[in-house]
Amino acid sequence: EAGVAQSPRYKIIEKRQSVAFWCNPISGHATLYWYQQILGQGPKLLIQFQNNGVVDDSQLPKDRFSAERLKGVDSTLKIQPAKLEDSAVYLCASSLRPAGQQETQYFGPGTRLLVL
Amino acid sequence: AQSVTQLDSHVSVSEGTPVLLRCNYSSSYSPSLFWYVQHPNKGLQLLLKYTSAATLVKGINGFEAEFKKSETSFHLTKPSAHMSDAAEYFCVVSGYGQNFVFGPGTRLSVLP
Repeated sequence: EAGVAQSPRYKIIEKRQSVAFWCNPISGHATLYWYQQILGQGPKLLIQFQNNGVVDDSQLPKDRFSAERLKGVDSTLKIQPAKLEDSAVYLCASSLRPAGQQETQYFGPGTRLLVL
Repeated sequence: AQSVTQLDSHVSVSEGTPVLLRCNYSSSYSPSLFWYVQHPNKGLQLLLKYTSAATLVKGINGFEAEFKKSETSFHLTKPSAHMSDAAEYFCVVSGYGQNFVFGPGTRLSVLP
């Protein structure tokens, strides 16, 4: 079974530029998550999708971050414009059912973003 | 509200000696608890999870954890450390209708 795929693996941009990350979840997983992991901290949930609908985006900085999952499969996370404090690893995860139902989340390798 | 405390930011053990990584949680609900491991430049991998069945949970690579409700703890142990165990370990709490809340992580170093 293929795991969660993410691209690119690394990205370096200058502040105020835009950047986009892509995620393809495990086949058949209805729930998709984006996390931000700042160096030295645990991952923090940014947004959760159930199929193509948003379930939880309470911690997404909506003035600069956006995400979509148009066909209920793969997803894109965008930052525009980027700030220095956005430097982090962006993790995508998926699960068969929504979190909170004893579901295991499966994580991709992450995209490491450096904003200069 | 849910929260997780990992009492040690860094643990260092010698190869072949026991490992203990401590985790305490706070949850208003009957929690689900997980341990994930993150090797450098790799994604998070599930080690084990507790979901209200047996309180002693066995995971991959010889790790196990015991759920103690009275102590609100879910400590991770392994009888004998291996060099390949060196990584970052995250304790996670979830609950019915609740998303994952990660602890800050414990970095495990294994000395030869």
